Amino acid sequence: DTEVTQTPKHLVMGMTNKKSLKCEQHMGHRAMYWYKQKAKKPPELMFVYSYEKLSINESVPSRFSPECPNSSLLNLHLHALQPEDSALYLCASTLQGAVSTEAFFGQGTRLTVV
Amino acid sequence: QQQVKQSPQSLIVQKGGISIINCAYENTAFDYFPWYQQFPGKGPALLIAIRPDVSEKKEGRFTISFNKSAKQFSLHIMDSQPGDSATYFCAASMGNTGKLIFGQGTTLQVKP
Repeated sequence: DTEVTQTPKHLVMGMTNKKSLKCEQHMGHRAMYWYKQKAKKPPELMFVYSYEKLSINESVPSRFSPECPNSSLLNLHLHALQPEDSALYLCASTLQGAVSTEAFFGQGTRLTVV
Repeated sequence: QQQVKQSPQSLIVQKGGISIINCAYENTAFDYFPWYQQFPGKGPALLIAIRPDVSEKKEGRFTISFNKSAKQFSLHIMDSQPGDSATYFCAASMGNTGKLIFGQGTTLQVKP
């Protein structure tokens, strides 16, 4: 199983809503990542969890709150988002913690904030 | 210094031709250089990757050429097919962060 599974695939939320994005991998990978990708732009790193600990936060606004309940699961909690937060949110994982090696990406969650 | 510059922004190639995409970087601490392929509405998928101690790596129709002294690397797609039409991103990563820094992307269209 070489998959990173993200749910939901699409999400529409109002600016006052609270929602969560979920990411799962069962490859035994020990680092997991959240990236944000705007249309026709490259992915940009948001957060890195290595061995279930937050190791990098790329100065992301507090309306985005990551959580890593265990080594297979990564959540991104969303609250009071703005329309400019609409984007494709990608989860990725790497085998040996947060090191330079092959990253597997999920299919992403297409988020629309209205 | 954290940037990876990618060119061209878009590329049109005839079926059977060679597609070439170039990237350049500044930070010599980068130690891993992958290429990702992304189709619309999908996540990026790793195509091929190289480390700085190797000058060339080939996997099927895909080849990375790496020039450490010039701090440049490129992707060559031989015998390009319409199914190769996608956006291609080069990236660089360093040491113990796992953080991927992506180039701006190249939209490739292969005409039948």
